[in-house]
Amino acid sequence: DGGITQSPKYLFRKEGQNVTLSCEQNLNHDAMYWYRQDPGQGLRLIYYSQIVNDFQKGDIAEGYSVSREKKESFPLTVTSAQKNPTAFYLCASRSRGLSTDTQYFGPGTRLTVL
Amino acid sequence: QKEVEQNSGPLSVPEGAIASLNCTYSDRGSQSFFWYRQYSGKSPELIMSIYSNGDKEDGRFTAQLNKASQYVSLLIRDSQPSDSATYLCAVYTGTASKLTFGTGTRLQVTL
Repeated sequence: DGGITQSPKYLFRKEGQNVTLSCEQNLNHDAMYWYRQDPGQGLRLIYYSQIVNDFQKGDIAEGYSVSREKKESFPLTVTSAQKNPTAFYLCASRSRGLSTDTQYFGPGTRLTVL
Repeated sequence: QKEVEQNSGPLSVPEGAIASLNCTYSDRGSQSFFWYRQYSGKSPELIMSIYSNGDKEDGRFTAQLNKASQYVSLLIRDSQPSDSATYLCAVYTGTASKLTFGTGTRLQVTL
């Protein structure tokens, strides 16, 4: 099965804890992205990586960190510095061809701070 | 001004009617435009992409792009209750490394 997987599906965190969200893809895509979605809101870009061992901050990177050690994997850590982490987190990868350029999403992780 | 703007809705249409969803964007240099469908609690699913002015049809869906007026629209013909979802407009902006999303339009197809 080709696609993007995210785990866990649901995650509960106590205040002050760091948590790591997993994102894996077997589509051989170079670029990967992390977004956050709050209720009734569009998606906001947290971090993105266009190639292994390189990543850039998006619009709301404060309180988050990422790594890109392998092409297939782009984990996101939500640190205790993130003031309001409860949200739906979406990972995406980018497919670029001669006439197409699109992003596809994983199923998402819903994070709740207790 | 927001980079990508959509009416939040809800847009209510009867079953079998045409649903028309609109989106405007601010970056004149944008080249790639997308419509995603998102069911409640699920991740966005790509339904249409359009890269040049004019219409692009795929089944019951038609995307329309007008770069001069900076808007992109999505028409859904013969609307079905299963089309009830939030539709997100997305545009590659800036250096085209960043996909910017609108806040989405909620569509309700009534029986």
